[in-house]
Amino acid sequence: AQSVTQLGSHVSVSEGALVLLRCNYSSSVPPYLFWYVQYPNQGLQLLLKYTTGATLVKGINGFEAEFKKSETSFHLTKPSAHMSDAAEYFCAVSEALTGGGNKLTFGTGTQLKVEL
Amino acid sequence: GAVVSQHPSRVICKSGTSVKIECRSLDFQATTMFWYRQFPKQSLMLMATSNEGSKATYEQGVEKDKFLINHASLTLSTLTVTSAHPEDSSFYICSASPLAGGPKETQYFGPGTRLLVL
Repeated sequence: AQSVTQLGSHVSVSEGALVLLRCNYSSSVPPYLFWYVQYPNQGLQLLLKYTTGATLVKGINGFEAEFKKSETSFHLTKPSAHMSDAAEYFCAVSEALTGGGNKLTFGTGTQLKVEL
Repeated sequence: GAVVSQHPSRVICKSGTSVKIECRSLDFQATTMFWYRQFPKQSLMLMATSNEGSKATYEQGVEKDKFLINHASLTLSTLTVTSAHPEDSSFYICSASPLAGGPKETQYFGPGTRLLVL
């Protein structure tokens, strides 16, 4: 079974500061990893994903994440936080379903707060 | 592209009634749709996986007779909460994978439906 651990349920940064949200995974097969963002009372929006190839993945809104197999990590970063980045962030790992498609297992989420 | 809608966005109902939530993929066909439940300040918990034309696969602990899922077409899945009770109050979110889905495939999420059972 696959699992995801997000360290830090709440992260607070100053506007303009580096954002680092941590994600570690457990998977018996090569993982496919995702970061999603959720704004209040909304669904999830895909930020970025890693499947194969380049381990540094760039996403929307200036976010990027690096897949490190040796550390089983997929941490999300952004060089300079903006007030609009305040939201809940979820890391997820994907596994194939027998009938096709994939099943996502989510971490518990990290609430990002951006302060002036 | 890859837009998923849900209807209604918010519903309030009396205890004992049934509520139907629709999930539609607007600009792509989805062989597989997923239904999640999210309690306040918690993560998403997968309830069931819905495949077009076949019975849904429910996660352990989810009552299939209470949460009826129908995936009648490649663009529509419905979740019916039968005989709803206050403990069913939650945020229900659906997602859909494109027709060519595989483990790499992205799930696209709907905006969610807030259910409040009085």
